[in-house]
Amino acid sequence: DSGVTQTPKHLITATGQRVTLRCSPRSGDLSVYWYQQSLDQGLQFLIQYYNGEERAKGNILERFSAQQFPDLHSELNLSSLELGDSALYFCASSWGGGIDSEQFFGPGTRLTVL
Amino acid sequence: GDSVTQMEGPVTLSEEAFLTINCTYTATGYPSLFWYVQYPGEGLQLLLKATKADDKGSNKGFEATYRKETTSFHLEKGSVQVSDSAVYFCALSLTGGGNKLTFGTGTQLKVEL
Repeated sequence: DSGVTQTPKHLITATGQRVTLRCSPRSGDLSVYWYQQSLDQGLQFLIQYYNGEERAKGNILERFSAQQFPDLHSELNLSSLELGDSALYFCASSWGGGIDSEQFFGPGTRLTVL
Repeated sequence: GDSVTQMEGPVTLSEEAFLTINCTYTATGYPSLFWYVQYPGEGLQLLLKATKADDKGSNKGFEATYRKETTSFHLEKGSVQVSDSAVYFCALSLTGGGNKLTFGTGTQLKVEL
């Protein structure tokens, strides 16, 4: 158990809908990351927050948005969902926001868009 | 852009066999290199890392050496066990990019008795 929690574990929804994925980092960690794992794209970095502020951005679609709240938990919002958004979404956390900080991954949220 | 290339899987080995999973990278700067492991139904776990050329990362019998001249970070283990069956990901991170990890496609390892 990494100490990173993600809810829900599974989510099934329809095209065009909007969903919210939630992540609670390990106690004491200030940075949160979101990654998408899909069969065709592999494991891709979406976005990083450090202490409430955006630190780095990857190939995150405009339909997707994220934020980190004052209590350091994070939410990833996915809207106007398409079939291709079906994937496993991982959250990770680290104490620092730089390259030397080890990232600890949660178990993931599996999103299925029908 | 920055990228990581791993050998295709699945790799199937008998218990106690020698393991090599090849990983090469392309990066504009001087990256840190990582191997992560993903067991079925779980998130990724850091297996080992190296932050500069000629560094050797090691953990649980696995090791990998950062080779700048060949831009490689191959994963090796002398004697695999059934419990090593998992998907292994090579990754890099560069300074100045936050702490973003760029992953390879992953290599599935199956170890049989």
